[in-house]
Amino acid sequence: DADVTQTPRNRITKTGKRIMLECSQTKGHDRMYWYRQDPGLGLRLIYYSFDVKDINKGEISDGYSVSRQAQAKFSLSLESAIPNQTALYFCATSDLQRDTGELFFGEGSRLTVL
Amino acid sequence: GQNIDQPTEMTATEGAIVQINCTYQTSGFNGLFWYQQHAGEAPTFLSYNVLDGLEEKGRFSSFLSRSKGYSYLLLKELQMKDSASYLCAVKDSNYQLIWGAGTKLIIKP
Repeated sequence: DADVTQTPRNRITKTGKRIMLECSQTKGHDRMYWYRQDPGLGLRLIYYSFDVKDINKGEISDGYSVSRQAQAKFSLSLESAIPNQTALYFCATSDLQRDTGELFFGEGSRLTVL
Repeated sequence: GQNIDQPTEMTATEGAIVQINCTYQTSGFNGLFWYQQHAGEAPTFLSYNVLDGLEEKGRFSSFLSRSKGYSYLLLKELQMKDSASYLCAVKDSNYQLIWGAGTKLIIKP
């Protein structure tokens, strides 16, 4: 089983619908992140959380919200989806104790907004 | 602004050596990462450089020159499974990761 699990893996929805992408991890890491990836662009940070009580906006948080329900769970919501939110979304975790701070990614959630 | 530049696409032959360059301009520097991403899959960690010089890990090596804002990833004895995108990312002064768009590496037999 994957250490960082995202659901759903694929979703097609319509403009204006509310969508939630869920992420859970068994790595025991405190830090969790949501990124989106678009063709020709680097990964862009949407939100990140360093612990359950800590939520921070990333580079492109407009139109998104998050919830850190527990150390192991971090959900991303699109309150009213729009077509330019069509992208591949990745959840990631990192361990505060590791010097490198490398990220461990989930398998990705491909979202299409029509 | 902050910027990471990598070639969009490179082609190499199985068994050969390829060097993927990354240049960066960021507000501060706290380390540089290389990740590998196969099509439709998650990025996976390859290497981390924080000091100048070469870090070798099996067939893969990564080099950093902080004064030049430059890094490269060297892949030796290329295999077909090395066909993937290679992502360069820099940790800036706020310890935030700035990502390049990635280099798609195509390996031909």
